[in-house]
Amino acid sequence: DTEVTQTPKHLVMGMTNKKSLKCEQHMGHRAMYWYKQKAKKPPELMFVYSYEKLSINESVPSRFSPECPNSSLLNLHLHALQPEDSALYLCASSQDWNEQFFGPGTRLTVL
Amino acid sequence: DQQVKQNSPSLSVQEGRISILNCDYTNSMFDYFLWYKKYPAEGPTFLISISSIKDKNEDGRFTVFLNKSAKHLSLHIVPSQPGDSAVYFCAASLQGAQKLVFGQGTRLTINP
Repeated sequence: DTEVTQTPKHLVMGMTNKKSLKCEQHMGHRAMYWYKQKAKKPPELMFVYSYEKLSINESVPSRFSPECPNSSLLNLHLHALQPEDSALYLCASSQDWNEQFFGPGTRLTVL
Repeated sequence: DQQVKQNSPSLSVQEGRISILNCDYTNSMFDYFLWYKKYPAEGPTFLISISSIKDKNEDGRFTVFLNKSAKHLSLHIVPSQPGDSAVYFCAASLQGAQKLVFGQGTRLTINP
């Protein structure tokens, strides 16, 4: 299994909702990442987990809360988001910090 | 401060010809470089990479060249095919930094 999967593919939520994005990889990779990507922009790193521990938080607002339940799973919990948080949210994994493999993303719309 | 730059937002190439995408960087400590391809509404797909100890890496139709003195890398695609139409991102990493620095992307269009 050489892919990263993400659910859901699309998500529409209101500013008072709580939702979660899920990511899974079965490549035995030791690092997992959350990125945010706006249209016509490069992916913007949010969080890095290394061996299931949070190692990098790129000053992301607390309305985004990551969780790594085990070495294969990564969640991103969303609460009280703003319309400007609408974007494509990408999960990635890597073994050696270099070649990161990305999932298909979750298209999030905040109303 | 943009450490990785792709100065051409778009590039149009005839099918069968060579596509050359360029990327410049400012941090001489970067030691690994990658190219990703991205279709709309999908995640980036890893294409090819190169370590700073090499100056060329080839994989099928894709070749990446690294010129460390000029802090420049390029991706050559030959021959170009319609399925190559996508946005291409170059990225760089620093040993131990645990993250990639991406360029702004170049939209490649292959014309039949």
